[in-house]
Amino acid sequence: SQQGEEDPQALSIQEGENATMNCSYKTSINNLQWYRQNSGRGLVHLILIRSNEREKHSGRLRVTLDTSKKSSSLLITASRAADTASYFCATGSNYQLIWGAGTKLIIKP
Amino acid sequence: NAGVMQNPRHLVRRRGQEARLRCSPMKGHSHVYWYRQLPEEGLKFMVYLQKENIIDESGMPKERFSAEFPKEGPSILRIQQVVRGDSAAYFCASSPGQGVSETQYFGPGTRLLVL
Repeated sequence: SQQGEEDPQALSIQEGENATMNCSYKTSINNLQWYRQNSGRGLVHLILIRSNEREKHSGRLRVTLDTSKKSSSLLITASRAADTASYFCATGSNYQLIWGAGTKLIIKP
Repeated sequence: NAGVMQNPRHLVRRRGQEARLRCSPMKGHSHVYWYRQLPEEGLKFMVYLQKENIIDESGMPKERFSAEFPKEGPSILRIQQVVRGDSAAYFCASSPGQGVSETQYFGPGTRLLVL
C-alpha cells in the first residue's frame, strides 16, 4: 500500500500564483522528500526534509513537515509555466523510498 | 559528472520474451535502487542492490524478475517471459551511500511495452 498520499490529485493555477501541495503519510519516517516529474520523463529531486526539521527552503520552494500530523506541504511561489509537472512526496525509513500517487500541477500562462 | 544512465529508453517486447534493462549509476555511487511506475501512479520500490549484493528485493515479484549489480558494469533488471502487466516505466536510482539522509538520483527510466 502507498505510504504517502498527495492532495490535491490535480491543481491548475495561473502563472504567478502560488501552488500548495500536501502529502500525508502513515508510519514514522526518517525523512521526507519531494520530487518533480515532467510528463514522460525521469524524476528530479527537489528537497529533502528530515524528521527533526519543521521547515526548509530552496529557491521558490518551501517545504514544511509536521510529524505529529504525519503531513508535509510543498509551496511553490510565483509559479511559472515550467513548473507544470507531477509532484511526488516520498518517505524514507532507511533506504527504501515509499511514494504517493502525485499531484499533477498545471500552470496556465 | 554524468547522471544516472538507463538504457534502452524504450523497449517493446512480445509476450513470452525477455526484457533486460540496464542502469549505470552516477560515478562514485555504489547503491542502486529499482522502481516501477504504472501510468498515473507513484513509484513502487522493487529492489535495492550494492555492488555484487542484493540487499532488499522485497518489492520484486518472486517469479520471472531478477536483478544484479556486478562488480564491473551496469546493474541489470531482467524480466523473463514478459506479460502485458509488466508494461510500465522502470526507474533506476543511485546514491553514494545508504542512510537516512541520502538523496537518490534517478535515471530517465525505461519504458517497457509488452504487446
